[in-house]
Amino acid sequence: DQQVKQNSPSLSVQEGRISILNCDYTNSMFDYFLWYKKYPAEGPTFLISISSIKDKNEDGRFTVFLNKSAKHLSLHIVPSQPGDSAVYFCAASSGGSQGNLIFGKGTKLSVKP
Amino acid sequence: DAEITQSPRHKITETGRQVTLACHQTWNHNNMFWYRQDLGHGLRLIHYSYGVQDTNKGEVSDGYSVSRSNTEDLPLTLESAASSQTSVYFCASSEGGVAADTQYFGPGTRLTVL
Repeated sequence: DQQVKQNSPSLSVQEGRISILNCDYTNSMFDYFLWYKKYPAEGPTFLISISSIKDKNEDGRFTVFLNKSAKHLSLHIVPSQPGDSAVYFCAASSGGSQGNLIFGKGTKLSVKP
Repeated sequence: DAEITQSPRHKITETGRQVTLACHQTWNHNNMFWYRQDLGHGLRLIHYSYGVQDTNKGEVSDGYSVSRSNTEDLPLTLESAASSQTSVYFCASSEGGVAADTQYFGPGTRLTVL
């Protein structure tokens, strides 16, 4: 059973608008969440993370929101740029896992000029 | 700059052959991981290591093995390659020993088993 779910396989937005990528999880022991971006023919690159003691973390155009009661997190990209077009993976870990991550299946974001 | 590299980047092999994919990191990270990425499955963990001489099975370990003889390297071996092992393989490393641990990925190896 999937512990980390990204229910939207793809998302298309217009350049300059907001992109919102969603992720749901089932394991209440998860306490650290990450987003990775992946371009074709490259490895995933770390984008942003959030600890369960926070509900928001911001880094430039990227903001991650965490709703623990709903077991839901989202990544907001504002404003979206064509270079943001990539596959975005949500990942989660628990303190007892010694750093092992559980990944979602990814959402392919397309930003149209 | 510290980095993580994988070789080869592309490999074509035949069913039944033994194949070894290399992973090398210069961050002096304790933890190293191998994943495979397949359409519709995302990233699935094959094997991982928390340090020298330590190896552990992940979600999809059947048909794969790893060994960790030093901090920098974690080679992944396919004992007898099968067509189902055609995939893109990613190696990752992380510092380990910290609560909020971030993994850093290599560029990937595309393996085709004919």
